[in-house]
Amino acid sequence: EVLLVQSGADVKKPGESLRISCQASGYDFSGYWINWVRQMPGKGLEWMGRIDPSDSSTTYSPSFQGHVTISVDKSTRTAYLQWSSLKASDTAIYYCARRSTAFDIWGQGTMVTVSS
Amino acid sequence: EIVLTQSPGTLSLSPGERATLSCGASQSVSTLYLGWYQKKPGQAPRLLIYGTYRRGAGIPDRFTGSGSGRNFTLTISRLEPEDFAVYYCQQYGTSPTFGQGTKLEIK
Repeated sequence: EVLLVQSGADVKKPGESLRISCQASGYDFSGYWINWVRQMPGKGLEWMGRIDPSDSSTTYSPSFQGHVTISVDKSTRTAYLQWSSLKASDTAIYYCARRSTAFDIWGQGTMVTVSS
Repeated sequence: EIVLTQSPGTLSLSPGERATLSCGASQSVSTLYLGWYQKKPGQAPRLLIYGTYRRGAGIPDRFTGSGSGRNFTLTISRLEPEDFAVYYCQQYGTSPTFGQGTKLEIK
C-alpha cells in the first residue's frame, strides 16, 4: 500500500524552530516529487514547495521562499519541512503529497500551533 | 503565478441534484495539469480528477471533469450525502496553485 505518514501535532512558541516529517512507503521514493501544502485555520489550500528525492532539488512558491526549508533523507524515505524561527501566523495544518499524475497520495496532515 | 478563481463560493443543493463547479484561470492552463480535489474537515484532500477529465483511483463515475484553456468544470451528476464537502481546483504545472475552493452544502 502506498502511504505517506506524517509526524504528530506540535505546539511551539514564536521564535522557536521546528522540523516536521513525512515518511513514504509502498513505492519508489526517488521516482516522485514530494510537495508540501498549507491550510491555515478556516482557509484554503496553499502550495508551499516541493522536492525531488532523486537529487534533493527544490522549488518553492514565492510566498514561502526563504521562510521554510524542504529537505529529504533517502535512506529513511522521509521528507522534511522546517522553520528556523516560527511565527504565530505559521499556525496551520501542513500536508505532504506525492506528485504523480497530480497530487495523488497525501499524508494525514500535521497540525502546528505557534503560540506564546 | 497562475491564479485560479472558483465559482460559486458556496453551492446549496439537495441529494440527487446535479452540481456544477467552475474554475477560471488567469492564463491558459494545459489540460494535462488541471485537477480537482475533495476536502472534508479532519481529512486530507482526496484527488478526484487529474488531467482535466481523468478520474483518480476509486472515484465514482458521477464525478466528471471538463474544460480547456482558461475555463474548467467539475460536474457531480447525482449528489450523494457523502459528496457534501469543499472542492478545490488545482493547476500542477511548474509552480502549482489552488483555487480558493467551493463549499458544497446540503440545502
